This record gives sequence, structure tokens and C-alpha cells, in this order.
Amino acid sequence: SYVLTQPPSVSVAPGKTARITCGGDDIGSKSVHWYQQKPGQAPVLVIYFDSDRPSGIPERFSGSNSGNTATLTISRVEAGDEADYYCQVWENNSDHWLFGGGTKLTVL
Amino acid sequence: QVRLQESGPGLVRPSETLSLTCSVAIASVSSGGYYWSWIRQSPGKGLEWIGYIHETGKTNHSPSLKSRVTISLDTSKNQFSLKMTSVTTADTAVYHCARGSKIYGMDVWGQGTMVTISS
Repeated sequence: SYVLTQPPSVSVAPGKTARITCGGDDIGSKSVHWYQQKPGQAPVLVIYFDSDRPSGIPERFSGSNSGNTATLTISRVEAGDEADYYCQVWENNSDHWLFGGGTKLTVL
Repeated sequence: QVRLQESGPGLVRPSETLSLTCSVAIASVSSGGYYWSWIRQSPGKGLEWIGYIHETGKTNHSPSLKSRVTISLDTSKNQFSLKMTSVTTADTAVYHCARGSKIYGMDVWGQGTMVTISS
């Protein structure tokens, strides 16, 4: 079965750039979505269709997807960006959703 | 603004059936081509997709849950529901409902409801 692999944690200083990866076999051929989840809250969609931002999501959030890796990039990181981030794809072979294991972003 | 709200018992006995409902406001569960999903999160763990129902009535669920899951649609009440049979303590989690599409992801989520499996 298809597997999405994320690093368990990423740390970044305020004002710097954070990159969170999501690995999967030929993930570049799939549409990748990214969610931000803060403690005690529901996930929020921050990137859809690899690189598009829903309304209300800051331009500091961007995404890319190629080959075997999709990447969520957060520029000029702020303390409020500290959260868990999950990637997600639609698995065409089985017609279902799949989440990555999640990455905890720590702002130093 | 579309809103989703989960409801159901917060405590279920082991081996019994977990039943949750997701009420949808503003949007219609029978239009738009959306996949209405259930997702859960065990304490301290990541997101786990449980299953979905499409407006056409098509359903699918995570293979890991085998045949314990049933998802249904009630268009008259604009709701969709989850039933999970033979629950164990491993099913203790926060259960979220969400609206999704293949291209646009899950753009609206319910706040989630905590379900504890315990005798």
C-alpha cells in the first residue's frame, strides 16, 4: 500500500524558512494537500493541489511537488506557526485518502 | 460559511458500536461533488482517515478498519453518520468529520468529538 513519509520534527528560528517534506513513490504525479493543526484544534487546510493557498492563508505558506517529494515551505516563520503539519493525497488505486504521519514544527 | 458539527456519545463500552453524526450547515450533502469524510486522532498520534461517503452514495473506508465501518447519508437532515462496530480501547480518539474533494483537499472540518472506549 502507498505510504507517505514525513520527518517527525523540524525546528526553525523565527524569521527563517521552514521546509517540511512528504515523501512517497512518484508523489509528483499526485495532488498533495497540507494541513496545519494546533493543539486542541481541528486541522486547517493551508495548501491544496500541491501549491495553491485557500483564502485567508498567508503568502508565507507555499508548496511544491516533484518526483518522490512534496515540500511545504513556510517563509519568515512566526511563533504562531508552531503546530503539527500533515500532508495528504488521494490514492487513485484504492480511491481513498491517505495522511502522512505528521511533522511537529518547533519555533526556537 | 459552511459548518460541520459532530455529535454522539462520549463513552462507549468495548465490543459495542460507536455511532456519530455530522450535521452540515449552509452546504448541502447532496450537491457539489464532495466526499464527506470521517477522520480520527488517537491521543498523541497523527490523523487517520476512516472513510467517506460521496453524494452519489458511494462509500469507501480505510483497509485497516476492515468491515467494522459503515458511513451513511441522510439528505433530509443534511447529515452523514459513522457506525463502527466491535470497538476496543484502540478506538479511543477524537473523531472529526470533514468535507473534501480530490483536487481541493478537505477544506472544512468539524471541531471534533472525543470518544472514549472504556468499561
